[in-house]
Amino acid sequence: AQSVAQPEDQVNVAEGNPLTVKCTYSVSGNPYLFWYVQYPNRGLQFLLKYITGDNLVKGSYGFEAEFNKSQTSFHLKKPSALVSDSALYFCAVRDGGYSTLTFGKGTMLLVSP
Amino acid sequence: NAGVMQNPRHLVRRRGQEARLRCSPMKGHSHVYWYRQLPEEGLKFMVYLQKENIIDESGMPKERFSAEFPKEGPSILRIQQVVRGDSAAYFCASSPELGGDQPQHFGDGTRLSIL
Repeated sequence: AQSVAQPEDQVNVAEGNPLTVKCTYSVSGNPYLFWYVQYPNRGLQFLLKYITGDNLVKGSYGFEAEFNKSQTSFHLKKPSALVSDSALYFCAVRDGGYSTLTFGKGTMLLVSP
Repeated sequence: NAGVMQNPRHLVRRRGQEARLRCSPMKGHSHVYWYRQLPEEGLKFMVYLQKENIIDESGMPKERFSAEFPKEGPSILRIQQVVRGDSAAYFCASSPELGGDQPQHFGDGTRLSIL
């Protein structure tokens, strides 16, 4: 079985500061990892993915994520937060040979001016 | 290139009625996924379909819920005899033929309210 944990329900950060949203995963095979963002009353928007290769993945809107196999983590990061980054962020995992995604519960990111 | 289209955006039903939620995948996508989102619970997988086939329905309740993706037309998620607990946001996602490492693209959801 595959699972995802997002240990923080909410992350607060001041605009201009770096941000990190944590994610750990569990799969039996090779992990395919994804980050999505959800704005109010909207669907999920794809930010970035890790499939293979370089452990540091760059995505949309200046976000990046670091894959750490030994810690089974895939934390989302951004060097300088914007107020407009405030949203709900979901980490998701898929076992390499399987097609359905398992999502974490989501982390609300609040960036204050 | 239109994204995933879901309708209606909002649906209100009384207990015991039927709810039909529609999803048109992105052009060129033949894989459709349905999820349910409840506050504080994140996104829960319900069912995965390809054209005319249900591939995985392990997340769908055994009673009252059904899904289809016909050869022509949108995918339909049907909830019969709705109850208050069915109130949620239902999201559809699609991915291209190759699947695998391709991300799923989501619609804006249908918010179902049961009176």
